[in-house]
Amino acid sequence: DAGITQSPRHKVTETGTPVTLRCHQTENHRYMYWYRQDPGHGLRLIHYSYGVKDTDKGEVSDGYSVSRSKTEDFLLTLESATSSQTSVYFCAISEPDRRSGNTIYFGEGSWLTVV
Amino acid sequence: GDSVTQMEGPVTLSEEAFLTINCTYTATGYPSLFWYVQYPGEGLQLLLKATKADDKGSNKGFEATYRKETTSFHLEKGSVQVSDSAVYFCALSAINFNKFYFGSGTKLNVKP
Repeated sequence: DAGITQSPRHKVTETGTPVTLRCHQTENHRYMYWYRQDPGHGLRLIHYSYGVKDTDKGEVSDGYSVSRSKTEDFLLTLESATSSQTSVYFCAISEPDRRSGNTIYFGEGSWLTVV
Repeated sequence: GDSVTQMEGPVTLSEEAFLTINCTYTATGYPSLFWYVQYPGEGLQLLLKATKADDKGSNKGFEATYRKETTSFHLEKGSVQVSDSAVYFCALSAINFNKFYFGSGTKLNVKP
């Protein structure tokens, strides 16, 4: 258990509304990630963070923004939700270890439906 | 660039059958390799990993050996159970250690 909590776990929202998903971790990990998972596309990286206020884009960042003002929280915002953003969103953390290699751990997911 | 390719599913087996899910990778240097499992409605869970050539990762009866000569990390289990039904993902982490690459996932259905 990597101590990752996502909220909300399920949300239905209307097209054009802003949505924020929250990822909270309790173990002071430096690296945090947001992925989306869709049938036929597998896991795709949206944004990631390598420290407080340090973030970078992944492969599908258009329409998404992130913020990390505290080590423990990584927020994903959809400024104006569209139906194409209906997906399952996973937060993850990575734990670098020089001896055993770095490993990524995932949260339980947030199911977002945009109607 | 770095990438992972795994066999497409679904794979359907009878209980107690032998399982192999193929995974090959492309990477520069010496990546770490992983298998993750995802049960319905849940996140991905680390199943096993290997960090250098010839290492064998194992957990819950599953095994995979890091084969640098064939750039492979095939997942095997000698006798599957219905409870093993899930989606399995092969992954690697590159030299730039904050980058992870995932295969497309293989769905396993085990019938009683």
